[in-house]
Amino acid sequence: NAGVTQTPKFQVLKTGQSMTLQCAQDMNHNSMYWYRQDPGMGLRLIYYSASEGTTDKGEVPNGYNVSRLNKREFSLRLESAAPSQTSVYFCASSEVPFSYEQYFGPGTRLTVT
Amino acid sequence: QQPVQSPQAVILREGEDAVINCSSSKALYSVHWYRQKHGEAPVFLMILLKGGEQKGHDKISASFNEKKQQSSLYLTASQLSYSGTYFCGTLRNSGNTPLVFGKGTRLSVIA
Repeated sequence: NAGVTQTPKFQVLKTGQSMTLQCAQDMNHNSMYWYRQDPGMGLRLIYYSASEGTTDKGEVPNGYNVSRLNKREFSLRLESAAPSQTSVYFCASSEVPFSYEQYFGPGTRLTVT
Repeated sequence: QQPVQSPQAVILREGEDAVINCSSSKALYSVHWYRQKHGEAPVFLMILLKGGEQKGHDKISASFNEKKQQSSLYLTASQLSYSGTYFCGTLRNSGNTPLVFGKGTRLSVIA
């Protein structure tokens, strides 16, 4: 089992460009999450999908959109990237929403210039 | 509301003990602990539930004081492999409210 996979691992964007971060899990988990991690800030929730077909905003959703494509895949889209979105992005999944252990992907390091 | 972790950073020699605290101003349902090594993804350590028992994971254990809304992570006889950043995450109830992570405690174990 690969667990949680994310693509790409690294990305450099210019201000105003768009891109989609991909995430997939092979553990048959119902819930999936997108976090961003900035130095000294911990992990902050951007969006989550408690179950297939649902998505909800987290703490810092502005500038992002998500799609729960199917039970396995949950993508994060930046429509018009800004330097403030420079961060490390982690996707995670869990069997049920929040109450259980979350499994994290390896992360995507995004730089917006 | 983001839980507050203390200390922000700690340096230990191999074999020494450490305690990391996680506090909330709100009533909590559970506290979750994760460890992240440099350049890697966070990895789950344990969950402490309200009314539950103290948990353990190798020589790492934790407790949850419901009256104080505080959890403590105990690292005993630290090893080099314990180095990393420890995050607590707090849940206010058992429903679909998001887990909120603290800013982390950086632990460095030196030989």
